[in-house]
Amino acid sequence: SYELTQPPSVSVSPGQTASITCSGDKLGDKYACWYQQKPGQSPVLVIYQDSKRPSGIPERFSGSNSGNTATLTISGTQAMDEADYYCQAWDSSAYVFGTGTKVTVL
Amino acid sequence: QITLKESGPTLVKPTQTLTLTCTFSGFSLSTSGVGVGWIRQPPGKALEWLALIYWDDDKRYSPSLKSRLTITKDTSKNQVVLTMTNMDPVDTATYYCAHSPCGSCRFFDYWGQGTLVTVSS
Repeated sequence: SYELTQPPSVSVSPGQTASITCSGDKLGDKYACWYQQKPGQSPVLVIYQDSKRPSGIPERFSGSNSGNTATLTISGTQAMDEADYYCQAWDSSAYVFGTGTKVTVL
Repeated sequence: QITLKESGPTLVKPTQTLTLTCTFSGFSLSTSGVGVGWIRQPPGKALEWLALIYWDDDKRYSPSLKSRLTITKDTSKNQVVLTMTNMDPVDTATYYCAHSPCGSCRFFDYWGQGTLVTVSS
C-alpha cells in the first residue's frame, strides 16, 4: 500500500520559515494537500492541489510538489502556527495520510 | 455554510458493530461530484482514512479495513452512515466525517468536530 512519510517534528523560531516535507513514491505525479490540526481540534485544510490555498488561509502558507516530495512552507511563522500538520494524497482509489509532523514555535 | 456532525456510541464492546452517523448541512449529496468521507485518529496518533461515498453512490474503502466497513447515504435526511464490524480495542479513536467538494478534488475541505469511540469490555 502507498505510504507518505513526514518528519516527526520541526522546530522554528517566530518570524522564521518552517518547511515540512512529505515523501512518497512518485508523489509529484499526484496531487498533495495539507491539513493543520491544533490540540483538541479537527483538522483544517491549509493547502490543496499541491499549492492552492483555501479561502481564509494566510498567505504565509504555501506548498509545492515535485519528484517524490511535497513540501509545506510556513513563512514568517507565528506562535499560532504551532500544530500538527498532515499531508494527504490519493493513490489507487484510496486516500492516504502522512505520518504527521509536530511544528513547535520556539 | 457547510457543517458536519458525527453521532454514535461513545463506548462499544469488543466484537460489536459500530454504527456512526454523519449529519450535515449547507450542501446536498445529490450534487454532482460531492462526497462525504470518514477518517479516524487514535489518541496521539495520525489520521487514517476509512471510507468515502459520492453523490452517485460510488463508494471507496480503505483496503486494509474494507472487509469490516460499510458506508451508506440517505440524501433526504442529509446523512451518511458508517458501520464497522468486529470492533477491537485498537479501533479506539476519534472518528471524523468530512466533505469532499468534487470527484477529482481528492481532499476534504470541511470536517466535523469528531466523536471519540472507546472499545472496551
